[in-house]
Amino acid sequence: EDQVTQSPEALRLQEGESSSLNCSYTVSGLRGLFWYRQDPGKGPEFLFTLYSAGEEKEKERLKATLTKKESFLHITAPKPEDSATYLCAVVSGSNYKLTFGKGTLLTVNP
Amino acid sequence: GAVVSQHPSRVICKSGTSVKIECRSLDFQATTMFWYRQFPKQSLMLMATSNEGSKATYEQGVEKDKFLINHASLTLSTLTVTSAHPEDSSFYICSARDPSGRNTGELFFGEGSRLTVL
Repeated sequence: EDQVTQSPEALRLQEGESSSLNCSYTVSGLRGLFWYRQDPGKGPEFLFTLYSAGEEKEKERLKATLTKKESFLHITAPKPEDSATYLCAVVSGSNYKLTFGKGTLLTVNP
Repeated sequence: GAVVSQHPSRVICKSGTSVKIECRSLDFQATTMFWYRQFPKQSLMLMATSNEGSKATYEQGVEKDKFLINHASLTLSTLTVTSAHPEDSSFYICSARDPSGRNTGELFFGEGSRLTVL
């Protein structure tokens, strides 16, 4: 059974204070690892897909990296509008079922 | 990106009544849609996979007679919570995969529907 563990559960940063979120996973045959952003009361919004160890992707202040056991979401000089819950999910096998972690609640104070 | 629309966004109902939630893919045809349930501060838990023109596939522990799923067209799937009880109160989210997308498993999510059963 696929397992995804995200840490920390919650993270408070000052505006401009860079940090990283962690997503550790255990799967049998990773087909893809996904990062989503979720605002309160909303559905998840797609950020990145990573397929193989060593892969990196960037979007504005966010950069996602992947190893064989974990993924990091690096946030550089965050702004208050980056405050949200960040979800990590994996897909394995031949279907498209996502297994989600519980998320990291990020709060960026001005 | 692709757009998935969910309606209603909020619904309050009395215990024992049934509630229908709609999920539409607005700019692509989705042969497969997924229904998730999310409790506060918890992961999204997959409830079922909705297949156009055939029966839904339910995850272990999900009552198929309780949560009726219909995927009548390539752009619409519905989730009906039958004889709702307070413990069914939750945030229900649908998602769909754009089959034209090259990214394996990339799903687009609806805005979610918050159900409160009194």
